[in-house]
Amino acid sequence: KQEVTQIPAALSVPEGENLVLNCSFTDSAIYNLQWFRQDPGKGLTSLLLIQSSQREQTSGRLNASLDKSSGRSTLYIAASQPGDSATYLCAVDRGGSARQLTFGSGTQLTVLP
Amino acid sequence: SAVISQKPSRDICQRGTSLTIQCQVDSQVTMMFWYRQQPGQSLTLIATANQGSEATYESGFVIDKFPISRPNLTFSTLTVSNMSPEDSSIYLCSVGTSGSVEQFFGPGTRLTVL
Repeated sequence: KQEVTQIPAALSVPEGENLVLNCSFTDSAIYNLQWFRQDPGKGLTSLLLIQSSQREQTSGRLNASLDKSSGRSTLYIAASQPGDSATYLCAVDRGGSARQLTFGSGTQLTVLP
Repeated sequence: SAVISQKPSRDICQRGTSLTIQCQVDSQVTMMFWYRQQPGQSLTLIATANQGSEATYESGFVIDKFPISRPNLTFSTLTVSNMSPEDSSIYLCSVGTSGSVEQFFGPGTRLTVL
């Protein structure tokens, strides 16, 4: 059974700092990995998706990497801003006809002005 | 990306009653899923809503408690039956298409059971 772990559970940084969020998964046979952002009491916003054949994806100040063999992904946020404060979730897609996502427990990020 | 709406956005219900949550997508999608997010927890998949056939439930979830309908490619409902306070959660639907590997989520329904 796939298990997804995110470290740290919470992170507080001053504005302008670069930071890295970590995600690890136990079964490397994944179809893709997706990073989401969740604001308090809200739904999920998709940030980046990395397919199993890719090693990284970039969108603006965000960069996500994937190392399937070691079962790890990182989300790098450059020049953090208070508006980046949210919970960040990673999820792995086991592929096939199922396509269900298995989520990590999330990292709650606070960027202090 | 698909635009997904859910109704209601939130509700407060009494123990023993049932609530039906609707998920509407602005385009036809291949796959629709229902997730639960209990307070302070991450998301757990409840079931895959299959168009024209019975939903596929994950371990720990049963049809009698969470009946699901999917009459067409743009709409699905999840009913939370005979509710107890332990059912207080955010319920989210998500969609995927055959042309994209990405999944998109609705805004969620926040349910409180008293």
